[in-house]
Amino acid sequence: EVQLVESGGGLVQPGGSLRLSCEASRFIFSAYWMGWVRQAPGKGLEWVANIKQDESEKHYVDSVKGRFTISRDNARNSLYLQMNSLRVEDTAVYYCARDGGVAVVGVGREFYYGMDVWGQGTTVTVSS
Amino acid sequence: ERVLTQSPAALSVSPGERATLSCRASQSVSSTLAWYQQKPGQVPRLLIYGASTRATGIPARFSGSGSGTEFTLTISSLQSEDFATYYCQIPGTFGQGTKVEIK
Repeated sequence: EVQLVESGGGLVQPGGSLRLSCEASRFIFSAYWMGWVRQAPGKGLEWVANIKQDESEKHYVDSVKGRFTISRDNARNSLYLQMNSLRVEDTAVYYCARDGGVAVVGVGREFYYGMDVWGQGTTVTVSS
Repeated sequence: ERVLTQSPAALSVSPGERATLSCRASQSVSSTLAWYQQKPGQVPRLLIYGASTRATGIPARFSGSGSGTEFTLTISSLQSEDFATYYCQIPGTFGQGTKVEIK
């Protein structure tokens, strides 16, 4: 079964750092975009960042730009999220997800394959 | 920045009835829209991608439609297991969700 397993969450003080990891198994990791999505307690889903197969493209939500860095190691089938300068509002469950990416299917037409495989999540709590 | 607005925020439906959920994009997003279902304490599940294609294993009672800025997720006959929160998404952002509750 295709699987993603996150790790690295925990309790950290405001201003601190954490590095999340996501290990993939049973699919060709290097063939997919990958992303991070978070969910604050009692709130909706928030897209955080994604990364292209060869790391040539990385995208971030505005609220984490300059503080978070997404990376991957295709040889280790692993995705990472380095989180620095953490804020209380970064408290959330962080999910790793396989992202099917966007294909251009015609002039002015694009098709998105969605995030079809999700990990169970790892909890990050930022508190003093 | 593209924004997705879902309506209604909550929807009360009786089992067996039809549910229609809307998602509006602030600018055209072509067919780059996906829908997800999330039950309390569970991981989100992809339902629809490319605005109208059902993901693997998703029952036929779920259908997606629309393109450009207006999208709809329809659940033709609600089953007990369908009561959940539904999110639309484009690369880079999610809508705020629609909670489907039992009437």
